[in-house]
Amino acid sequence: GNSVTQMEGPVTLSEEAFLTINCTYTATGYPSLFWYVQYPGEGLQLLLKATKADDKGSNKGFEATYRKETTSFHLEKGSVQVSDSAVYFCALKGDSSASKIIFGSGTRLSIRP
Amino acid sequence: GAGVSQSPSNKVTEKGKDVELRCDPISGHTALYWYRQSLGQGLEFLIYFQGNSAPDKSGLPSDRFSAERTGGSVSTLTIQRTQQEDSAVYLCASSPSRDLTYEQYFGPGTRLTVT
Repeated sequence: GNSVTQMEGPVTLSEEAFLTINCTYTATGYPSLFWYVQYPGEGLQLLLKATKADDKGSNKGFEATYRKETTSFHLEKGSVQVSDSAVYFCALKGDSSASKIIFGSGTRLSIRP
Repeated sequence: GAGVSQSPSNKVTEKGKDVELRCDPISGHTALYWYRQSLGQGLEFLIYFQGNSAPDKSGLPSDRFSAERTGGSVSTLTIQRTQQEDSAVYLCASSPSRDLTYEQYFGPGTRLTVT
């Protein structure tokens, strides 16, 4: 079945550091891929998405490229800020008949000033 | 505009009691989802409502769990005879479309603790 594996946390970085949070997936066909973020005290919200191979999703300085050859969708940001501290979830939607999104276990990111 | 709201925000209950969790989706959103988030775990899909179609209940962990959506709007998740392993944050999300590539808008969740 479909699944998502993401980097275990917590991840702690200094402000302005480069960030990578790894995400790999298992799915048949051509899934859509997402990153959701949960800031402290807030609900989950969509950060970015990519719906076909080689697409790059981007938002708020974050980027992720849909790599079918490596079944990956790693989240990157060139210079993190304290305000990026949150839990990040990689997620997958299977083929067009799928009625649910499968979420990874989440990666907690803490940024030191 | 108003987002997805859930009530209560916190619920502590004794083992064996029934609980009801409520979700008010964004007005006009046809799709509604319930998830469970246990400590250190990802989101576990529970149930999905789309318009007037029969709900997808494939994620409900046992027959103690049930959900309904009245009038295509408010939804209630009911857990009967609660067990300690039911302790988790229960999240509701709504979406304007059944197309899952559309964003799901999440509520703040209900933290359930079964003692």
